[in-house]
Amino acid sequence: TQLLEQSPQFLSIQEGENLTVYCNSSSVFSSLQWYRQEPGEGPVLLVTVVTGGEVKKLKRLTFQFGDARKDSSLHITAAQPGDTGLYLCAGASRNFNKFYFGSGTKLNVKP
Amino acid sequence: NAGVMQNPRHLVRRRGQEARLRCSPMKGHSHVYWYRQLPEEGLKFMVYLQKENIIDESGMPKERFSAEFPKEGPSILRIQQVVRGDSAAYFCASSRTGTGFNEKLFFGSGTQLSVL
Repeated sequence: TQLLEQSPQFLSIQEGENLTVYCNSSSVFSSLQWYRQEPGEGPVLLVTVVTGGEVKKLKRLTFQFGDARKDSSLHITAAQPGDTGLYLCAGASRNFNKFYFGSGTKLNVKP
Repeated sequence: NAGVMQNPRHLVRRRGQEARLRCSPMKGHSHVYWYRQLPEEGLKFMVYLQKENIIDESGMPKERFSAEFPKEGPSILRIQQVVRGDSAAYFCASSRTGTGFNEKLFFGSGTQLSVL
């Protein structure tokens, strides 16, 4: 059972375009994290969102946590080739014993 | 200021052999998580350990898989009598406290296990 569904699975865009990727669940999470993973490497944490409705910005990346804490989105403005990678969302269980990961969105930004 | 260290990076085993994957957490971290990743997929939780204790192993297969995190030395994920379906990337992550809203996981570069 996949607790977190990410969409789209694959996204190929031109440099300079904007994009949004989504992370949805029927479960409520105590917190939600976004990671970026490059081939052959482990995921690297980008942001943690905790409060329903919370919006966080990291340069050209904007992260939003849904009001009900079941879904999240990541918006990238003016994408660059360096943004290429696998974007994973992860929800924390109630006792924070584990993080459930989505299957990821593979982003390719063409120069 | 070393991060999470995993070795080996690549491990090739024949069916029926044993695989031992090692993970040294970041300095000051006493919580270790193991995840498994298949190509084009996300990470699947396997086990969460603190020093000398298994806290949550709900993601571990009941047979052939075991994990430990001794008082001294790295955490070990052990797979006995490997089968082709065990081929995957295995990632270790560590954290300082293991709890809290803003707990951060730091991942190693993974071990790619290939079973021939």
